[in-house]
Amino acid sequence: AQSVTQLDSQVPVFEEAPVELRCNYSSSVSVYLFWYVQYPNQGLQLLLKYLSGSTLVKGINGFEAEFNKSQTSFHLRKPSVHISDTAEYFCAVSEGSSNTGKLIFGQGTTLQVKP
Amino acid sequence: EPEVTQTPSHQVTQMGQEVILRCVPISNHLYFYWYRQILGQKVEFLVSFYNNEISEKSEIFDDQFSVERPDGSNFTLKIRSTKLEDSAMYFCASSQSGTVNQPQHFGDGTRLSIL
Repeated sequence: AQSVTQLDSQVPVFEEAPVELRCNYSSSVSVYLFWYVQYPNQGLQLLLKYLSGSTLVKGINGFEAEFNKSQTSFHLRKPSVHISDTAEYFCAVSEGSSNTGKLIFGQGTTLQVKP
Repeated sequence: EPEVTQTPSHQVTQMGQEVILRCVPISNHLYFYWYRQILGQKVEFLVSFYNNEISEKSEIFDDQFSVERPDGSNFTLKIRSTKLEDSAMYFCASSQSGTVNQPQHFGDGTRLSIL
């Protein structure tokens, strides 16, 4: 069965500092990987996705993530964060054989950007 | 940009009562989903719906739950006899297809509180 682990529940960081949010997954089949962001009182918004090809994926708002198959990881990074990046971030996987596209989510990481 | 809308934003219901959560997916989307997030826990898949029938459901989605697309625009989740443990944020999502190439678009959620 698939599972997603986000190792950090909260990540405090100062504005303009770099940040990495960690995500590890387990699956016995091929997977597709996603990062979603949830701003306060809003729904989940897709940041980026890895389907195939280059393991470095660039998304919106200056975020990027790298797929590492050997380490079963898909960590999210941003070289310089802004106050507006303060939000909840969710890593998710979808099984390659699924024909419904259901998403399996991690428990989320709260990014707190301080001035 | 078209978006998924959910009503109400907050629903308070007595235990044992029926509740209906409503969603209006994006108009040209064909796949619809419900997820829930109990406070402090992961976002969990409940059910996917395509062509007027359930295409996949999780173990959480037992006989107390049902989904319906009553009029071609709304997509509803009904809980027949609510329990305290049904208290959660419920998210509706839709996508153009069930493949990962078409991302799921999420609504802002309905917070369900069971008293």
